[in-house]
Amino acid sequence: DAGVIQSPRHEVTEMGQEVTLRCKPISGHNSLFWYRQTMMRGLELLIYFNNNVPIDDSGMPEDRFSAKMPNASFSTLKIQPSEPRDSAVYFCASSLGGFSYNEQFFGPGTRLTVL
Amino acid sequence: KQEVTQIPAALSVPEGENLVLNCSFTDSAIYNLQWFRQDPGKGLTSLLLIQSSQREQTSGRLNASLDKSSGRSTLYIAASQPGDSATYLCAVKGGTSYGKLTFGQGTILTVHP
Repeated sequence: DAGVIQSPRHEVTEMGQEVTLRCKPISGHNSLFWYRQTMMRGLELLIYFNNNVPIDDSGMPEDRFSAKMPNASFSTLKIQPSEPRDSAVYFCASSLGGFSYNEQFFGPGTRLTVL
Repeated sequence: KQEVTQIPAALSVPEGENLVLNCSFTDSAIYNLQWFRQDPGKGLTSLLLIQSSQREQTSGRLNASLDKSSGRSTLYIAASQPGDSATYLCAVKGGTSYGKLTFGQGTILTVHP
């Protein structure tokens, strides 16, 4: 298996632009997670999907952030409009089952820089 | 609100030493605890997963223990090697079936030859 796939790996954009990050979970996994990592705040969960349904989006910082999972093999995280404070590494992770006992497997991340 | 603390923040040891990384959490109502490794500029690699009903897990030179009542976990690395150099993160999964992972800030480990 190729593992969790994220694209792009790096994104540089200007403030105010729309940014879309993409994730393909491991085949057969039915839970998907979006995280953000910064030096100041460490790793934070943004949103969690189970069977393509958002279960917990309490970590989404504000309305500029939105996430979708139209099918079991694809998810997007969109920031519109982007701001410099959104600069971070964004990780996608997936797991089988989605509930208590299963390991999460992480993608390589997308490094976002907003100028 | 769950808080996870890792001590020390950084550790530098000579090759061959046995070492212990510590993780503590404030809410003992957890489902499981997971240790990850992160190499610079890379994603996270899962090392060990301990269920709340378990006391320890082992994988090769790694051994992780869990004391849920005291809110502590340790990651023991035996016979450290330069290739073990990375950031080690612990994360606890909240006490509900939809519980989320809360991460510590990590311990930066450097093993020098």
